[in-house]
Amino acid sequence: GDSVTQMEGPVTLSEEAFLTINCTYTATGYPSLFWYVQYPGEGLQLLLKATKADDKGSNKGFEATYRKETTSFHLEKGSVQVSDSAVYFCALRGQAGTALIFGKGTTLSVSS
Amino acid sequence: DTAVSQTPKYLVTQMGNDKSIKCEQNLGHDTMYWYKQDSKKFLKIMFSYNNKELIINETVPNRFSPKSPDKAHLNLHINSLELGDSAVYFCATSSDGSSGNTIYFGEGSWLTVV
Repeated sequence: GDSVTQMEGPVTLSEEAFLTINCTYTATGYPSLFWYVQYPGEGLQLLLKATKADDKGSNKGFEATYRKETTSFHLEKGSVQVSDSAVYFCALRGQAGTALIFGKGTTLSVSS
Repeated sequence: DTAVSQTPKYLVTQMGNDKSIKCEQNLGHDTMYWYKQDSKKFLKIMFSYNNKELIINETVPNRFSPKSPDKAHLNLHINSLELGDSAVYFCATSSDGSSGNTIYFGEGSWLTVV
């Protein structure tokens, strides 16, 4: 079945460092790909998404490119802030009406 | 107005009790979901309803029973609560038509069974 693998955390960075969180997927067909973020004590918020190969999703300085050839959707940000400290989830959705399948989440901790 | 609202947000209850978590959405979406997040933050789909009809029913103990009285509501009832049921339960919704449609999540219901 479909699955998502993302790098294990926690990831600890200093403010203004470059961030990469790796995400790869296994799916039949052409899924849509998502990154969600969960701040401490809160629910899940959509960070960005991409629905077809070579699409780039971006939001709040974060970006990720849908790479079909490497089945990847790595999350990047050029300069992280303390306020970016959260858990980041990579997810895919194979077809309309189906559920999101999540990776295990990566905890990011940014210190000043 | 909160798009997807869940109640209660926090619930502490004893083993063996029966409890319900309610979810309401005002987005007009056709599909609603329940997810469980365990202590390691792992998110797993439990149920999905489309227009009040059960679509997804993952391997979940039959102590868990979802109920959808109408398209805007999907409630989760749990019988005979066990310690292992302690988790965060998220309600979510989406519109149909494309796998790229965003799934919107509620703020979660933190359930602690003691």
